[in-house]
Amino acid sequence: GAVVSQHPSRVICKSGTSVKIECRSLDFQATTMFWYRQFPKQSLMLMATSNEGSKATYEQGVEKDKFLINHASLTLSTLTVTSAHPEDSSFYICSAWTTSEGYTFGSGTRLTVV
Amino acid sequence: KNQVEQSPQSLIILEGKNCTLQCNYTVSPFSNLRWYKQDTGRGPVSLTIMTFSENTKSNGRYTATLDADTKQSSLHITASQLSDSASYICVVSANLGNEKLTFGTGTRLTIIP
Repeated sequence: GAVVSQHPSRVICKSGTSVKIECRSLDFQATTMFWYRQFPKQSLMLMATSNEGSKATYEQGVEKDKFLINHASLTLSTLTVTSAHPEDSSFYICSAWTTSEGYTFGSGTRLTVV
Repeated sequence: KNQVEQSPQSLIILEGKNCTLQCNYTVSPFSNLRWYKQDTGRGPVSLTIMTFSENTKSNGRYTATLDADTKQSSLHITASQLSDSASYICVVSANLGNEKLTFGTGTRLTIIP
């Protein structure tokens, strides 16, 4: 089945630094990748939708200059959290859609900003 | 406003027992409903997907039902195993030109030996 590889699985960074999270679609092309954030005991919240070769579409309230999304190829999308602060600590998950299997999620990245 | 509500919030059952999780939704126009299993610290994994015309779908020990009239779905787990301990998330899709997902907050299921 479709697999989305996401890494790193965990990252700890200092406040003020930037962190890049990568999601790769294995054995299929993902023209669209979705990025979610999940706080403890809460549901996944869509942050942005990235389309290969074009600008990402951000949900209301998500700062596009803080959460930089790049979808330069059909198999790779990246989310960069810039100038991270402790309140950015969260679980970040990507997802790609295929006609055969619907939405496939990455394994998630636990970001802790200290 | 599209919403998905799940109950119970958490559930603890003995290994080998059955359980049923509930999902009520107010999503329009309805496209499909998915149940996902999410282990702690991992991404969700799809269990079932149902469209408007389907009222039941099974995947091994998991059986999902859908009543599109009452906008309710359930996920029944048979003969629970310790590995079933996870959060189960109901996700409803609206067809608004492009698909828009609404996530439930999940049911945290704990299986104890």
